[in-house]
Amino acid sequence: DVKVTQSSRYLVKRTGEKVFLECVQDMDHENMFWYRQDPGLGLRLIYFSYDVKMKEKGDIPEGYSVSREKKERFSLILESASTNQTSMYLCASRDGQGANEQFFGPGTRLTVL
Amino acid sequence: GESVGLHLPTLSVQEGDNSIINCAYSNSASDYFIWYKQESGKGPQFIIDIRSNMDKRQGQRVTVLLNKTVKHLSLQIAATQPGDSAVYFCAETSFQKLVFGTGTRLLVSP
Repeated sequence: DVKVTQSSRYLVKRTGEKVFLECVQDMDHENMFWYRQDPGLGLRLIYFSYDVKMKEKGDIPEGYSVSREKKERFSLILESASTNQTSMYLCASRDGQGANEQFFGPGTRLTVL
Repeated sequence: GESVGLHLPTLSVQEGDNSIINCAYSNSASDYFIWYKQESGKGPQFIIDIRSNMDKRQGQRVTVLLNKTVKHLSLQIAATQPGDSAVYFCAETSFQKLVFGTGTRLLVSP
């Protein structure tokens, strides 16, 4: 059974804090993605990675960075959290061999006070 | 710019009815479409997909229809059950990235 896990389901942080969101997949997938999900806006792509140590900006990368040191792990970093980064964060992975389907984790609901 | 959207934000049906969720897309170059289901507190889950060279694809109780002439995608759920209550997203593949619609909430009444 395929599985994408995220380190926290709920997280509360203060403005200016550095925040790490971790994502791990056990499917040996090459591609991994970070999205944020906001009411009325759907899922928006923040960053993605095609392979270890590779990263590409998505549609809304400002205020975020990522790290992919190991194939199974993709981290999203908020260098200095702001209230407008309060959102649901979803991680996904995909097999790199021409596949299209992405498998999603359960999400992390981040609140920045 | 390119966009993927849904006609209705909320759809309410009775248990046993058939449900139809619609989606409009604007990128005529998209060659692959997916429907996802997202239950409360969970991440999106794959339901069914369709390639642009097809008009229809059927799964278990679900059917996806693609009309490329009017750039319209629909998801039909037969004999809707309370467990089908969720938010449904369509997504299109554009340059190997998925572009998602904003979602339609399906409410199923017993």
